[in-house]
Amino acid sequence: GQSLEQPSEVTAVEGAIVQINCTYQTSGFYGLSWYQQHDGGAPTFLSYNALDGLEETGRFSSFLSRSDSYGYLLLQELQMKDSASYFCAVRVQNSGGYQKVTFGIGTKLQVIP
Amino acid sequence: EAQVTQNPRYLITVTGKKLTVTCSQNMNHEYMSWYRQDPGLGLRQIYYSMNVEVTDKGDVPEGYKVSRKEKRNFPLILESPSPNQTSLYFCASSSSFRSTDTQYFGPGTRLTVL
Repeated sequence: GQSLEQPSEVTAVEGAIVQINCTYQTSGFYGLSWYQQHDGGAPTFLSYNALDGLEETGRFSSFLSRSDSYGYLLLQELQMKDSASYFCAVRVQNSGGYQKVTFGIGTKLQVIP
Repeated sequence: EAQVTQNPRYLITVTGKKLTVTCSQNMNHEYMSWYRQDPGLGLRQIYYSMNVEVTDKGDVPEGYKVSRKEKRNFPLILESPSPNQTSLYFCASSSSFRSTDTQYFGPGTRLTVL
């Protein structure tokens, strides 16, 4: 099976930068995604990495190292509205081409003034 | 408006009474999936569908059934619900299993089994 590890909680100051790490153990790795979920809401897609390197989308960036089975989400210029839970998720593909998705348990980010 | 809809949004039922949670998407997406979310456990995939009539088990399929007879609909069936299936359920879809992992989630269904 698949397993992912990410910190359960992170606190950061408004305007600062925060990095949320994710390590995974899996076979058939296809890609790593990040999702944001506010309390009471549905998850929303943030970023996806299939290849090594950095992907940037506005204030958010995501990094992947396939050789290290590691990725991170970088949030810059933190705003109070960024307080939410952040999930990493791996997509794995089996020999039949079927793709499953496994999520981490989520990192609760609290942004403080 | 592109969206994934789920019904009902809230449901309280009793053990053993069959129920169906509907999921529909209007984006012509091939890939659809059901997740359950429990405190401290994150989101866990129950079943997924690569396309019409193509479904497979996720990580926690026990006690659930799905069907994909039309591209837009992917209902979740609990034949004999039990209290351990009390959870928050999300349906999600994405354009292709080959695409980037942009899954669009429905608003969620909060299920309580007494």
